[in-house]
Amino acid sequence: GIQVEQSPPDLILQEGANSTLRCNFSDSVNNLQWFHQNPWGQLINLFYIPSGTKQNGRLSATTVATERYSLLYISSSQTTDSGVYFCAVPFDYFNKFYFGSGTKLNVKP
Amino acid sequence: NAGVTQTPKFRILKIGQSMTLQCAQDMNHNYMYWYRQDPGMGLKLIYYSVGAGITDKGEVPNGYNVSRSTTEDFPLRLELAAPSQTSVYFCASSGGGAGAFFGQGTRLTVV
Repeated sequence: GIQVEQSPPDLILQEGANSTLRCNFSDSVNNLQWFHQNPWGQLINLFYIPSGTKQNGRLSATTVATERYSLLYISSSQTTDSGVYFCAVPFDYFNKFYFGSGTKLNVKP
Repeated sequence: NAGVTQTPKFRILKIGQSMTLQCAQDMNHNYMYWYRQDPGMGLKLIYYSVGAGITDKGEVPNGYNVSRSTTEDFPLRLELAAPSQTSVYFCASSGGGAGAFFGQGTRLTVV
């Protein structure tokens, strides 16, 4: 199956700092999704991004499908950004996702 | 709009007991999924469905069964619960090209 690798596995930031999270995948994909799992365990959609760049407030994501990676940028981080960030790639037409093992982010006040 | 609703949120089972995790979506999505998440890990696909009456196995189907009699509902059945099934279970749905939407999860402990 498709291998999905995320880096770094853990990240500690001071509030207000910027960060970049990376997702590498082993095979060609036609889509990719980023999620935030908050400390209560809820999975929140961030981006559904096959290629190019999307922005939503302080967050943006870039996927370069030809080079098999995606980046998630968090600017001016806040304590509410803490949690685990997952990227997931669908391995067929039915959107069955392979998940990476996540980046655990801790933003300190 | 409720999205994807899972019940119960928490459950403790004894070894050998059975239970059904309920999942309902109100977005008229054709595709629905069950995932499990073990501590510190990403999610793994248990079963999925591409429409009413059509289901298939994912990566980790052993010990589980599903059915899909309507577009809205996709229950997951655990038979003869084992400690290895202690996990957090997520139901999801997708359709319309907007990615997958997840329920709030069911935290299951088997003792």
